[in-house]
Order: sequence, then structure tokens, then C-alpha cells
Amino acid sequence: EDQVTQSPEALRLQEGESSSLNCSYTVSGLRGLFWYRQDPGKGPEFLFTLYSAGEEKEKERLKATLTKKESFLHITAPKPEDSATYLCAVQAGLHGDNNAGNMLTFGGGTRLMVKP
Amino acid sequence: ETGVTQTPRHLVMGMTNKKSLKCEQHLGHNAMYWYKQSAKKPLELMFVYSLEERVENNSVPSRFSPECPNSSHLFLHLHTLQPEDSALYLCASSQDLDPQQETQYFGPGTRLLVL
Repeated sequence: EDQVTQSPEALRLQEGESSSLNCSYTVSGLRGLFWYRQDPGKGPEFLFTLYSAGEEKEKERLKATLTKKESFLHITAPKPEDSATYLCAVQAGLHGDNNAGNMLTFGGGTRLMVKP
Repeated sequence: ETGVTQTPRHLVMGMTNKKSLKCEQHLGHNAMYWYKQSAKKPLELMFVYSLEERVENNSVPSRFSPECPNSSHLFLHLHTLQPEDSALYLCASSQDLDPQQETQYFGPGTRLLVL
């Protein structure tokens, strides 16, 4: 069974204090790992997709990295507007597997609070 | 209007009521999804539709009934719900189910409270 675990559950940072969020996964063949941001009362907003170990993607103060066991979301010099819940999800399937359902397995999220 | 929209945004219903949630995507996508997000729990996939055909049903109770009349619209019909069904119901869409086109874009959700 595919599993996704995010840590920490909650993280408080001072503005400008860089840190990293972790997403550990156990899947039978990773097809893609997705990061989303979710603000209270809203739907998740797509940030990144990573497909293979060693891949990195950046967007403003965020950088996502991927290994064979985990992904990190690095936040550099965060601002209060970066406060949100960050969700990680994996899509799994063996090579040649149709996975017609495009199923994503989500982690529980990390609630980030950045204080000014 | 752009992206994925959902109506209503908030819904309160009794256990004997029948209601429907509506989702519309303006992205030209072919696949649509229903998710349930409960407090302190990860998002749970409920249903997947591709080109109006249901391709996934994750053991969801029959009191939830999806309908996809075309690739732009998705409904979730609700009847005789239980209080534990109270949650945020999210709709998402993706270009297709094929690799490299599968990023899912979410709507704002419908906050449902069952009394």
C-alpha cells in the first residue's frame, strides 16, 4: 500500500528564517510527486511536480527536491504570506502500468506559520 | 470565469435531505475528480471520471452518487448523509489521465455540515 508521511505536522518560523518540510513516501514505482499549497477555506493550489530522483524545481522562495525515498520543500527567507498548509502527494504505478485512475495519495500536510 | 469552480461554497443539510454539489472546469480538461477532506485527515479520492466515464470508485458509500454529464461538469448527489460526512468536498480536473498531463487543479471546495 502506498504511504505518504509529511513532517513536521506544524512549523512556526520567524520571517526570514529558512527551513525545510519533509515528505517521505513508500510506493510501488513512483510516477510523480506533487506539492500543493492550501490556504484556509480554499482548495489546494498546484506548486510543483517532480518525476525522478535528483530533480529540483524552484518558484520564488520555494525549492522542491526529490530522492528515491523523500522530497523536501525548502523555504528560503519566508514571509508571512507563505503561511499555509503544504501538501505532498504521490502518483504510483509500475512501468507499463496503465493506472487509469490517476490516483494521488496525499500526506497529512504541514501547517506553516510565518511570524513577522 | 477561469479555473475550477464549485457551488455552493457552504452547505448545511439534515440527514434526510437530498442535495447536490456542482463543479465546473473552464480549462478544457478531460478528467475530473471528487475528493473528501476531513479535519486532521489526508485528502481522500472518491471518484474519477475521464471523458464522462467513471474510471475509479474508491469504495465510497452509495449515499454519494456522482454524475458527469460532460467533460466540463461534475456533480455529487447527496442523500441520507451521516454527521461524519461533514467535510470539505473538493473537485479537481486534469488534462488527461496520461503521464505528463496529469497535474490536478483544484476548485475552492464546498464546506458541508450534516446535522
